[in-house]
Amino acid sequence: SALTQPASVSGSPGQSITISCTGTSSDVGGYNYVSWYQQHPGKAPKLKIYDVTNRPSGVSRRFSGSKSGNTASLTISGLQAEDEADYYCTSYTSSSTLVFGGGTKVTVL
Amino acid sequence: QVQLQESGPGLVKPSQTLSLTCTVSSGSISSGGYYWSWVRQPAGKGLEWIGRIYTDGSTNYNPSLRSRITISLDTSKNQFSLNLSSVTAADTAVYYCARDVGYYYASGSYSNWFDPWGQGTLVTVPT
Repeated sequence: SALTQPASVSGSPGQSITISCTGTSSDVGGYNYVSWYQQHPGKAPKLKIYDVTNRPSGVSRRFSGSKSGNTASLTISGLQAEDEADYYCTSYTSSSTLVFGGGTKVTVL
Repeated sequence: QVQLQESGPGLVKPSQTLSLTCTVSSGSISSGGYYWSWVRQPAGKGLEWIGRIYTDGSTNYNPSLRSRITISLDTSKNQFSLNLSSVTAADTAVYYCARDVGYYYASGSYSNWFDPWGQGTLVTVPT
């Protein structure tokens, strides 16, 4: 089943926000294979984080990832208006498949 | 910088087969040891991984869709394709193709991420 993310998270410009992604020991907790995607309305998703903590070339250092137990997190520091988007996590599962989170809408106040 | 572009009919009748093609440009689909995946997104909803194909033609499918999916590769055209049979209105979605980057470990587990993605194409199955 889908990983659990909060439906929405908001913050003011310059603040830091954290989006959680909760699974089980069969997915998030069992492997360091969590990735995060940003999706603006009407656009394709864009990779922000892979393997829990790794940031692809070209992605701002304001995006960081972490994991504790069955919950992975994406932190956006120095929140900017352009960060307003939907964010999705994914994880490998013990069934040798891949599962997405339900998505989190980030609003910049 | 590799780019991907989906193409195919925007309207498919119920019970028929949805067929989409993803054309890869600025890079060879056969090089780099990548998988190539399909992901879909119903309007206003989240993302769902459909399946992937490797350059040798081997495939992995989402178990929930496995009985209806076929993903194939045409290296001469630098394309890969998705066939989804017996469609219903529940299959209405934006369909994305993406390069599937990752590593297999000795344990058999697979770390992967999607980068880049195509722009997506809307496929509607009327009720």
